[in-house]
Amino acid sequence: SQELEQSPQSLIVQEGKNLTINCTSSKTLYGLYWYKQKYGEGLIFLMMLQKGGEEKSHEKITAKLDEKKQQSSLHITASQPSHAGIYLCGADIRPGNTPLVFGKGTRLSVIA
Amino acid sequence: DTAVSQTPKYLVTQMGNDKSIKCEQNLGHDTMYWYKQDSKKFLKIMFSYNNKELIINETVPNRFSPKSPDKAHLNLHINSLELGDSAVYFCASRGTSGYEQFFGPGTRLTVL
Repeated sequence: SQELEQSPQSLIVQEGKNLTINCTSSKTLYGLYWYKQKYGEGLIFLMMLQKGGEEKSHEKITAKLDEKKQQSSLHITASQPSHAGIYLCGADIRPGNTPLVFGKGTRLSVIA
Repeated sequence: DTAVSQTPKYLVTQMGNDKSIKCEQNLGHDTMYWYKQDSKKFLKIMFSYNNKELIINETVPNRFSPKSPDKAHLNLHINSLELGDSAVYFCASRGTSGYEQFFGPGTRLTVL
């Protein structure tokens, strides 16, 4: 079974609307990372969350970590076409410098 | 300056051929990784190296052999390429647990 579940798998929103992407882990989280990927390109780091209740923002993107639920949410306010892409959550599910496990990604399209 | 670089960016080859992908990081990180992203954008760890030593080798065919000549480089050699090897391969590096992984731009491998 998948260690990190992301939802929804895809999302189409109208420009200006808000949206939320969720990432739930079946294992204890030692760190949660959000990346964005545009088609044919590499991964762009967005945010890292480590502590329960932690919340970080960058421009119009906010990410929160609910440690008890082993869940993180990524919220985009007033979406723009530049927000379109694939959002991937990655997690440290083991202590130490181990590779990340990733969710299957959420494909976001923003319609003008 | 590019933090994690990979060459080539695109690789198109015939089944049965042997090919290599090179990765270099100029961040002074001790740990480097190879990930594979399939056609459904699912990103999965293949290998993890720490200080030139293999730490993690996920269930990957023996045809794949990573080599780390020094801490800054981690190359991936693939023998007898198969159609199913077609994917995007990402190199990444990380300094310490709890910090982001920096990803290279990816190498899109197409096996015909």
